[in-house]
Amino acid sequence: AQSVTQLGSHVSVSEGALVLLRCNYSSSVPPYLFWYVQYPNQGLQLLLKYTSAATLVKGINGFEAEFKKSETSFHLTKPSAHMSDAAEYFCAVSWSGSARQLTFGSGTQLTVLP
Amino acid sequence: GAGVSQSPSNKVTEKGKDVELRCDPISGHTALYWYRQSLGQGLEFLIYFQGNSAPDKSGLPSDRFSAERTGGSVSTLTIQRTQQEDSAVYLCASSRQDSGNYGYTFGSGTRLTVV
Repeated sequence: AQSVTQLGSHVSVSEGALVLLRCNYSSSVPPYLFWYVQYPNQGLQLLLKYTSAATLVKGINGFEAEFKKSETSFHLTKPSAHMSDAAEYFCAVSWSGSARQLTFGSGTQLTVLP
Repeated sequence: GAGVSQSPSNKVTEKGKDVELRCDPISGHTALYWYRQSLGQGLEFLIYFQGNSAPDKSGLPSDRFSAERTGGSVSTLTIQRTQQEDSAVYLCASSRQDSGNYGYTFGSGTRLTVV
């Protein structure tokens, strides 16, 4: 079965430091890839998506992600963390393009230290 | 509306009772999805609507779960004879199409607690 792996259920960074959240998927067939953010008691907000256009995708709030087919990865980065970035981040994949087949990673809780 | 609206935001119910969860998608979004987010289980797909029809109900965990959508807009997820394992956050999402070219906008969810 195809799967999505987010390495590190908890990541802590200092304010102003680089944020790197890892996501790997299990198929050699390039899927549709998404990153979502969930703030406490809120729904999922789309940060960015890859749909076979440019491999470097820019999203909201200064986040970006790079699709690397050879590594089957779609890691999320932000050059400088802000306190407001503290939240849970989910990587999601759809091989068919349909949200019915969206497979979510288990999530990474990001803590930003002052 | 501007976003996906779900109600109630929190629901506590007694085991064995029926509950109804409501989702009001973004205006014009024809595709609507229900997901369940359980502690330690991650997000799981429940059901998908295209307009008022549900071509994919494959994620519904049992026949106690049902959903409908009327007028191509509001959807209701009903859980009959609730069990403690039904406790979770139920998320609704909508999209212009069931396609990877569009992001899916999620509501804030309904936190269901069965006691």
